[in-house]
Amino acid sequence: AQKITQTQPGMFVQEKEAVTLDCTYDTSDPSYGLFWYKQPSSGEMIFLIYQGSYDQQNATEGRYSLNFQKARKSANLVISASQLGDSAMYFCAMTGLGNKLVFGAGTILRVKS
Amino acid sequence: DTEVTQTPKHLVMGMTNKKSLKCEQHMGHRAMYWYKQKAKKPPELMFVYSYEKLSINESVPSRFSPECPNSSLLNLHLHALQPEDSALYLCASSQGYRGLFRENQPQHFGDGTRLSIL
Repeated sequence: AQKITQTQPGMFVQEKEAVTLDCTYDTSDPSYGLFWYKQPSSGEMIFLIYQGSYDQQNATEGRYSLNFQKARKSANLVISASQLGDSAMYFCAMTGLGNKLVFGAGTILRVKS
Repeated sequence: DTEVTQTPKHLVMGMTNKKSLKCEQHMGHRAMYWYKQKAKKPPELMFVYSYEKLSINESVPSRFSPECPNSSLLNLHLHALQPEDSALYLCASSQGYRGLFRENQPQHFGDGTRLSIL
Protein backbone atom coordinates (compact mmCIF):
# COMPACT_ATOMS: atom_id res chain seq x y z
CA ALA A 1 0.00 0.00 0.00
CA GLN A 2 1.08 3.54 -0.68
CA LYS A 3 1.80 6.00 2.10
CA ILE A 4 2.65 9.71 2.10
CA THR A 5 4.24 11.46 5.07
CA GLN A 6 4.33 15.23 5.52
CA THR A 7 6.10 16.01 8.80
CA GLN A 8 5.60 19.79 8.85
CA PRO A 9 2.12 20.69 10.15
CA GLY A 10 2.81 24.39 9.58
CA MET A 11 5.46 26.60 8.00
CA PHE A 12 6.15 30.33 7.89
CA VAL A 13 8.10 32.07 5.15
CA GLN A 14 8.93 35.70 4.50
CA GLU A 15 7.52 37.17 1.32
CA LYS A 16 9.94 36.89 -1.65
CA GLU A 17 11.94 34.10 0.00
CA ALA A 18 12.02 30.44 -1.02
CA VAL A 19 10.47 27.66 1.05
CA THR A 20 10.71 23.86 0.94
CA LEU A 21 7.80 21.66 1.96
CA ASP A 22 8.82 18.11 2.84
CA CYS A 23 7.24 14.92 1.56
CA THR A 24 8.34 11.31 1.86
CA TYR A 25 6.54 8.35 0.41
CA ASP A 26 6.47 4.60 0.61
CA THR A 27 5.45 2.17 -2.09
CA SER A 28 6.53 -1.14 -3.53
CA ASP A 29 5.24 -0.32 -7.01
CA PRO A 30 7.88 0.44 -9.65
CA SER A 31 5.57 2.87 -11.44
CA TYR A 32 3.89 5.71 -9.60
CA GLY A 33 3.15 9.40 -9.83
CA LEU A 34 3.81 12.08 -7.25
CA PHE A 35 1.75 15.26 -7.06
CA TRP A 36 1.49 18.46 -5.12
CA TYR A 37 -1.81 20.26 -4.62
CA LYS A 38 -2.59 23.65 -3.08
CA GLN A 39 -5.82 24.22 -1.17
CA PRO A 40 -6.62 27.83 -0.17
CA SER A 41 -9.09 28.49 2.61
CA SER A 42 -11.85 28.78 0.00
CA GLY A 43 -11.58 25.03 -0.54
CA GLU A 44 -10.66 24.41 -4.15
CA MET A 45 -7.89 21.87 -4.73
CA ILE A 46 -5.38 23.24 -7.23
CA PHE A 47 -2.97 20.93 -9.03
CA LEU A 48 0.57 22.36 -8.93
CA ILE A 49 3.13 19.86 -10.19
CA TYR A 50 3.65 16.22 -11.17
CA GLN A 51 6.67 13.89 -11.07
CA GLY A 52 6.66 10.43 -12.62
CA SER A 53 8.71 7.71 -11.00
CA TYR A 54 10.70 7.13 -14.19
CA ASP A 55 11.33 10.81 -14.90
CA GLN A 56 15.04 11.55 -14.89
CA GLN A 57 14.73 15.27 -14.32
CA ASN A 58 13.01 17.13 -11.52
CA ALA A 59 9.70 18.66 -12.52
CA THR A 60 9.33 22.45 -12.62
CA GLU A 61 6.26 24.64 -13.16
CA GLY A 62 6.92 28.35 -12.91
CA ARG A 63 7.83 29.13 -9.28
CA TYR A 64 7.26 25.51 -8.24
CA SER A 65 9.86 22.78 -8.47
CA LEU A 66 9.82 19.26 -7.17
CA ASN A 67 13.04 17.95 -5.61
CA PHE A 68 12.72 14.24 -6.41
CA GLN A 69 15.16 11.93 -4.65
CA LYS A 70 14.09 8.42 -5.55
CA ALA A 71 16.57 6.53 -3.39
CA ARG A 72 15.45 8.50 -0.35
CA LYS A 73 11.79 8.29 -1.39
CA SER A 74 11.34 12.00 -1.03
CA ALA A 75 9.49 14.50 -3.21
CA ASN A 76 9.87 17.93 -1.65
CA LEU A 77 8.13 20.98 -3.10
CA VAL A 78 10.19 24.14 -3.47
CA ILE A 79 8.36 27.45 -3.90
CA SER A 80 10.61 30.28 -4.99
CA ALA A 81 9.92 33.98 -4.42
CA SER A 82 6.98 33.40 -2.09
CA GLN A 83 3.92 35.61 -2.47
CA LEU A 84 1.12 36.40 -0.02
CA GLY A 85 -1.23 34.41 -2.25
CA ASP A 86 0.82 31.28 -1.61
CA SER A 87 -0.64 31.07 1.90
CA ALA A 88 -2.65 27.82 1.83
CA MET A 89 -2.68 24.15 2.76
CA TYR A 90 -0.34 22.06 0.59
CA PHE A 91 -0.88 18.35 0.04
CA CYS A 92 1.61 15.85 -1.32
CA ALA A 93 -0.03 12.85 -2.98
CA MET A 94 0.78 9.77 -5.00
CA THR A 95 -1.16 7.46 -7.25
CA GLY A 96 -2.03 3.97 -6.20
CA LEU A 97 -3.87 1.14 -7.88
CA GLY A 98 -6.78 2.32 -9.98
CA ASN A 99 -5.24 5.79 -10.14
CA LYS A 100 -6.43 6.32 -6.58
CA LEU A 101 -4.78 9.35 -5.01
CA VAL A 102 -3.22 8.85 -1.59
CA PHE A 103 -2.71 12.14 0.26
CA GLY A 104 -0.40 13.19 3.05
CA ALA A 105 -1.70 15.06 6.10
CA GLY A 106 -0.82 18.41 4.57
CA THR A 107 1.30 21.42 5.50
CA ILE A 108 -0.19 24.85 6.20
CA LEU A 109 2.03 27.56 4.71
CA ARG A 110 1.80 31.15 5.88
CA VAL A 111 3.61 33.88 3.95
CA LYS A 112 4.53 36.94 6.01
CA SER A 113 4.81 40.43 4.56
CA ASP B 1 -11.64 29.19 -13.03
CA THR B 2 -11.67 25.43 -12.63
CA GLU B 3 -12.53 23.15 -15.53
CA VAL B 4 -14.48 20.84 -13.25
CA THR B 5 -17.76 22.43 -12.19
CA GLN B 6 -19.60 21.38 -9.06
CA THR B 7 -23.08 22.40 -7.99
CA PRO B 8 -24.33 23.51 -5.60
CA LYS B 9 -21.45 25.26 -3.81
CA HIS B 10 -23.25 25.03 -0.48
CA LEU B 11 -25.98 22.67 0.67
CA VAL B 12 -27.82 22.44 3.98
CA MET B 13 -30.16 19.50 4.42
CA GLY B 14 -32.00 17.62 7.08
CA MET B 15 -31.36 13.99 7.87
CA THR B 16 -34.52 12.87 6.11
CA ASN B 17 -33.98 14.84 2.91
CA LYS B 18 -32.90 13.55 -0.49
CA LYS B 19 -30.54 15.72 -2.50
CA SER B 20 -27.94 15.34 -5.23
CA LEU B 21 -24.50 16.80 -5.84
CA LYS B 22 -23.52 17.36 -9.45
CA CYS B 23 -20.16 17.45 -11.18
CA GLU B 24 -19.40 18.25 -14.82
CA GLN B 25 -16.17 18.28 -16.81
CA HIS B 26 -15.50 19.06 -20.47
CA MET B 27 -11.85 18.07 -20.67
CA GLY B 28 -12.52 14.73 -22.35
CA HIS B 29 -11.47 12.90 -19.23
CA ARG B 30 -12.73 9.32 -18.79
CA ALA B 31 -12.14 8.87 -15.07
CA MET B 32 -14.10 10.75 -12.42
CA TYR B 33 -13.86 10.69 -8.65
CA TRP B 34 -15.74 11.66 -5.51
CA TYR B 35 -13.79 12.65 -2.37
CA LYS B 36 -14.95 13.63 1.11
CA GLN B 37 -12.88 16.10 3.09
CA LYS B 38 -13.29 17.04 6.73
CA ALA B 39 -11.82 20.29 8.04
CA LYS B 40 -8.00 20.35 8.22
CA LYS B 41 -7.79 16.79 6.92
CA PRO B 42 -6.76 15.40 3.52
CA PRO B 43 -9.44 14.30 1.06
CA GLU B 44 -10.63 10.71 1.36
CA LEU B 45 -11.59 8.81 -1.75
CA MET B 46 -15.19 7.62 -1.95
CA PHE B 47 -15.81 6.42 -5.52
CA VAL B 48 -14.01 6.10 -8.83
CA TYR B 49 -15.66 5.83 -12.25
CA SER B 50 -13.62 4.77 -15.24
CA TYR B 51 -15.24 4.88 -18.68
CA GLU B 52 -18.62 5.40 -17.00
CA LYS B 53 -18.31 2.23 -14.92
CA LEU B 54 -17.89 2.17 -11.16
CA SER B 55 -14.42 0.78 -10.54
CA ILE B 56 -13.76 1.65 -6.90
CA ASN B 57 -16.15 1.97 -3.94
CA GLU B 58 -14.19 2.62 -0.77
CA SER B 59 -16.78 0.90 1.45
CA VAL B 60 -18.96 3.99 1.45
CA PRO B 61 -22.31 3.71 3.28
CA SER B 62 -25.28 3.12 0.99
CA ARG B 63 -26.79 6.49 1.93
CA PHE B 64 -24.34 7.81 -0.67
CA SER B 65 -25.22 6.65 -4.18
CA PRO B 66 -23.02 7.64 -7.14
CA GLU B 67 -24.18 7.85 -10.73
CA CYS B 68 -22.31 8.52 -13.96
CA PRO B 69 -24.88 9.25 -16.70
CA ASN B 70 -22.20 9.97 -19.32
CA SER B 71 -18.50 10.68 -19.63
CA SER B 72 -18.93 14.35 -18.65
CA LEU B 73 -21.26 14.06 -15.68
CA LEU B 74 -21.00 12.59 -12.23
CA ASN B 75 -23.71 12.74 -9.57
CA LEU B 76 -23.75 11.85 -5.91
CA HIS B 77 -27.23 11.11 -4.56
CA LEU B 78 -27.69 11.69 -0.85
CA HIS B 79 -30.37 10.16 1.36
CA ALA B 80 -30.83 9.90 5.12
CA LEU B 81 -27.45 11.43 5.90
CA GLN B 82 -26.02 11.76 9.39
CA PRO B 83 -24.50 14.87 11.01
CA GLU B 84 -21.03 13.31 10.68
CA ASP B 85 -21.48 13.41 6.90
CA SER B 86 -21.10 17.19 7.01
CA ALA B 87 -17.97 17.90 4.99
CA LEU B 88 -16.56 19.34 1.77
CA TYR B 89 -17.31 17.00 -1.14
CA LEU B 90 -14.84 17.25 -3.99
CA CYS B 91 -15.21 15.92 -7.50
CA ALA B 92 -12.18 15.29 -9.69
CA SER B 93 -11.43 13.98 -13.16
CA SER B 94 -8.41 12.58 -14.98
CA GLN B 95 -7.59 11.13 -18.35
CA GLY B 96 -8.67 7.68 -17.32
CA TYR B 97 -7.33 4.19 -17.42
CA ARG B 98 -8.47 0.66 -18.13
CA GLY B 99 -8.09 -2.33 -15.87
CA LEU B 100 -4.99 -2.26 -13.74
CA PHE B 101 -3.16 0.11 -16.06
CA ARG B 102 -2.28 3.14 -14.04
CA GLU B 103 -2.41 6.45 -15.81
CA ASN B 104 -0.48 8.40 -13.18
CA GLN B 105 -2.25 11.42 -14.59
CA PRO B 106 -3.08 14.47 -12.49
CA GLN B 107 -6.57 14.67 -11.14
CA HIS B 108 -8.24 18.03 -11.64
CA PHE B 109 -10.63 19.05 -8.91
CA GLY B 110 -13.74 21.16 -8.76
CA ASP B 111 -14.32 23.82 -6.12
CA GLY B 112 -16.33 21.41 -4.00
CA THR B 113 -19.74 21.41 -2.32
CA ARG B 114 -19.85 22.32 1.37
CA LEU B 115 -22.50 20.06 2.85
CA SER B 116 -24.09 20.62 6.26
CA ILE B 117 -26.45 18.09 7.78
CA LEU B 118 -28.85 19.42 10.40
